[in-house]
Amino acid sequence: DAGVIQSPRHEVTEMGQEVTLRCKPISGHDYLFWYRQTMMRGLELLIYFNNNVPIDDSGMPEDRFSAKMPNASFSTLKIQPSEPRDSAVYFCASSFSLGGYTFGSGTRLTVV
Amino acid sequence: AQSVTQPDIHITVSEGASLELRCNYSYGATPYLFWYVQSPGQGLQLLLKYFSGDTLVQGIKGFEAEFKRSQSSFNLRKPSVHWSDAAEYFCAVGAQNTDKLIFGTGTRLQVFP
Repeated sequence: DAGVIQSPRHEVTEMGQEVTLRCKPISGHDYLFWYRQTMMRGLELLIYFNNNVPIDDSGMPEDRFSAKMPNASFSTLKIQPSEPRDSAVYFCASSFSLGGYTFGSGTRLTVV
Repeated sequence: AQSVTQPDIHITVSEGASLELRCNYSYGATPYLFWYVQSPGQGLQLLLKYFSGDTLVQGIKGFEAEFKRSQSSFNLRKPSVHWSDAAEYFCAVGAQNTDKLIFGTGTRLQVFP
């Protein structure tokens, strides 16, 4: 298995633009998580899905953020419009029923 | 709600020395506990996990951790540190009815030759 795959690895965008981050979880995993990592706030859970259904989105910072999981092998995190304070590393992780997460390599987002 | 504290932000050790990274958790029931390691520019990699049973857990790369319920701790140890162990280490706690993990703020380990 190739692990959790995130794309792109790096994204630089201008303030106000739409940004879409993508994640392919490990096949067979039934949970998918989106985290954001910054120096100031550490690792923050944004949202997680179980069997493609959003379970807890209380960590999504505001309405500019949205996440979808149309099927078991794909999820997106969208920011629209983007702001400089959204600059961070965004991680996707997947797991199978308490087995511990497998993280992707992350997407480093820079909003200028 | 569960929470986790890593009191040491930064630790420096010499190569070959022993290591202990501290982790304290808060949770009303028996928690699920994890240690992850993050190398620069990489995602987090699972080192070890505790669900139940033996309180001393062995992980990858020669690491172990001990669950102490009386102290609400899950400290990570390694008897002899290698230069390649330099990284950031995260403790995480989970509840029994969900896969949601709460991560500590991390401890950055620096290893001197």
